[in-house]
Amino acid sequence: SAVISQKPSRDICQRGTSLTIQCQVDSQVTMMFWYRQQPGQSLTLIATANQGSEATYESGFVIDKFPISRPNLTFSTLTVSNMSPEDSSIYLCSVLPLGASGNKFNNEQFFGPGTRLTVL
Amino acid sequence: DAKTTQPTSMDCAEGRAANLPCNHSTISGNEYVYWYRQIHSQGPQYIIHGLKNNETNEMASLIITEDRKSSTLILPHATLRDTAVYYCIVLFSSGSARQLTFGSGTQLTVLP
Repeated sequence: SAVISQKPSRDICQRGTSLTIQCQVDSQVTMMFWYRQQPGQSLTLIATANQGSEATYESGFVIDKFPISRPNLTFSTLTVSNMSPEDSSIYLCSVLPLGASGNKFNNEQFFGPGTRLTVL
Repeated sequence: DAKTTQPTSMDCAEGRAANLPCNHSTISGNEYVYWYRQIHSQGPQYIIHGLKNNETNEMASLIITEDRKSSTLILPHATLRDTAVYYCIVLFSSGSARQLTFGSGTQLTVLP
């Protein structure tokens, strides 16, 4: 298993500013992901955070708006840049731990508690 | 990844079995069925996954039809704490892609 912490847990920000969200895992993981959950909606994948290289972004998300870092196997940051009220969402970090469960394909991902962002 | 279809909402009496259906008629041979749930204000939580055979763990059972076009998640004795949104996801097992694609899920409400 993996225990994930996110900072901050919530924030209220002004339009045009940026916020960096941190994701810390208590063990090394192979893959780290960032999701967004807009109010009343399901989760949408923003990007896969790759260690030591640029993140892989999903359609509709770009690096200039959501720069991501992953300096090691246990930590990642997501920045929400030049924020607008439409960026008000919960941002969640998710990880896939090292190693599969025996020989069975295992994609059990663990999710952080999320960062609730409100942009005024 | 194959698309899934789930009912928007379901109710279940506390102590009874909750049976949550999922249709995935376009699933391919090497795609797994995963179930996650999201309790209000928390991150999603893994429940169970399977390929062809039925699976059971301490949380739930997963019944996959022989043609693999649908599945049912069973919570044998639902409690109030099982009230959550339940997501059925199909995931390709080959290659490096491991990202989960969430649909809209089923809001399960367990009633006292």
